[in-house]
Amino acid sequence: DVQLLESGGALVQPGGSLRLSCAASGFTFDTTAMSWVRQAPGKGLEWVSTISGNGVNTHSIDSVKGRFTISRDNFKNTLYLQMNSLRADDTALYYCAKVYLVGTIPPKGYFDSWGQGTLVTVSS
Amino acid sequence: DIVMTQSPDSLAVSLGERATINCKSSQSVLYSSNNKNYLAWYQQKPGQPPKLLIYWASTRESGVPDRFTGSGSGTDFTLTISSLQAEDVAVYYCQHYYSNFPLTFGGGTKVEIK
Repeated sequence: DVQLLESGGALVQPGGSLRLSCAASGFTFDTTAMSWVRQAPGKGLEWVSTISGNGVNTHSIDSVKGRFTISRDNFKNTLYLQMNSLRADDTALYYCAKVYLVGTIPPKGYFDSWGQGTLVTVSS
Repeated sequence: DIVMTQSPDSLAVSLGERATINCKSSQSVLYSSNNKNYLAWYQQKPGQPPKLLIYWASTRESGVPDRFTGSGSGTDFTLTISSLQAEDVAVYYCQHYYSNFPLTFGGGTKVEIK
């Protein structure tokens, strides 16, 4: 069975940094594109970032470009999201999601497995 | 960017009755070369992560009950729950995966029991 376990969420002050992790198991991680999707409290889903299986191609929503970096360690089967210059509107539950790839350039598709999420709260 | 608009925002349906959720995309998500609609539906129950229900607009994910049906093409899509069960209380989202980023979701439709 696919398992995705996020960690690293915390309360952080505006302007601060955080690194989220997602430990994956139950599938061939290094050939699978992965994404981060967030959900602000009481709000809908927002795609944040996607990375290809080999880590070469990454894409992010405009509002996090230059602040967030998605990466992966295929030896550790772990996905990361480095979050810098955090703002109040980054407050959300961050989900790690496995991408069922329908296109490789860019790596896109739908999300066939999701983790339970890790909560990031940006507040002074 | 492709904007996904869902309607209604919420609906209350009696047990055993039909629930219909609409999703409209600001541009077509039908890829002419393979005649596939790049549209997925998710169910999110309270306190849980989203769960994939439907992909390619009408293909049910393994294990999803057949009371869930996706239909539509181009820019207009529908998720139908043919006979609402108590366990179907959730928020439902559509999402496109057509063309380039960003991937976008509809705003969600909350389904409740009347």
